[in-house]
Amino acid sequence: QQQVKQSPQSLIVQKGGISIINCAYENTAFDYFPWYQQFPGKGPALLIAIRPDVSEKKEGRFTISFNKSAKQFSLHIMDSQPGDSATYFCAASRYAGGTSYGKLTFGQGTILTVHP
Amino acid sequence: EADIYQTPRYLVIGTGKKITLECSQTMGHDKMYWYQQDPGMELHLIHYSYGVNSTEKGDLSSESTVSRIRTEHFPLTLESARPSHTSQYLCASSSSRSSSGGREQYFGPGTRLTVT
Repeated sequence: QQQVKQSPQSLIVQKGGISIINCAYENTAFDYFPWYQQFPGKGPALLIAIRPDVSEKKEGRFTISFNKSAKQFSLHIMDSQPGDSATYFCAASRYAGGTSYGKLTFGQGTILTVHP
Repeated sequence: EADIYQTPRYLVIGTGKKITLECSQTMGHDKMYWYQQDPGMELHLIHYSYGVNSTEKGDLSSESTVSRIRTEHFPLTLESARPSHTSQYLCASSSSRSSSGGREQYFGPGTRLTVT
């Protein structure tokens, strides 16, 4: 119920192409879905996040698409650049309230390589 | 830009040694987390804290211990390091006052621990 499944494990895209990474979840109580980007030797950095009351959120070249009925969400990177080459993690969270933390359940990660 | 620091960045140590991994943040965040990141990338929560003197174990069982005596400081200690503890350790923090209720986590650069 807490698992978030991410695919593909690795992705190779040509410069200028569209990169698409998918995630699926089971727990319908999840209400916050962030994507993190991690470069080698660095910690993950929050890229973009969405709540289930909207079906799409766009920030620059990065778009999250959210399908509540299918319990799936995806990250689209438009006009992919070599600098986008990194590991991407999806995550999901259920607000626990009070002093309880809002735990993030992470996907398994996708290594994106953008060829020049 | 998140201000969260981890030291050391790299540590190679022999079996049986006691080690402390340091994590500090200057953002005044009330929540802090420790993750273990496998070579295969997946992040596993091993400890979290929602305030001073409040710590809990995460999803992944760990022989490490943590303390939270000051808001900005969340060290992780291994009393007797073993080769099975070899991994990347990531510290993160968040604020329950954020719009996401503390789920927007900021990560440090990580400590890569090797136990020989």
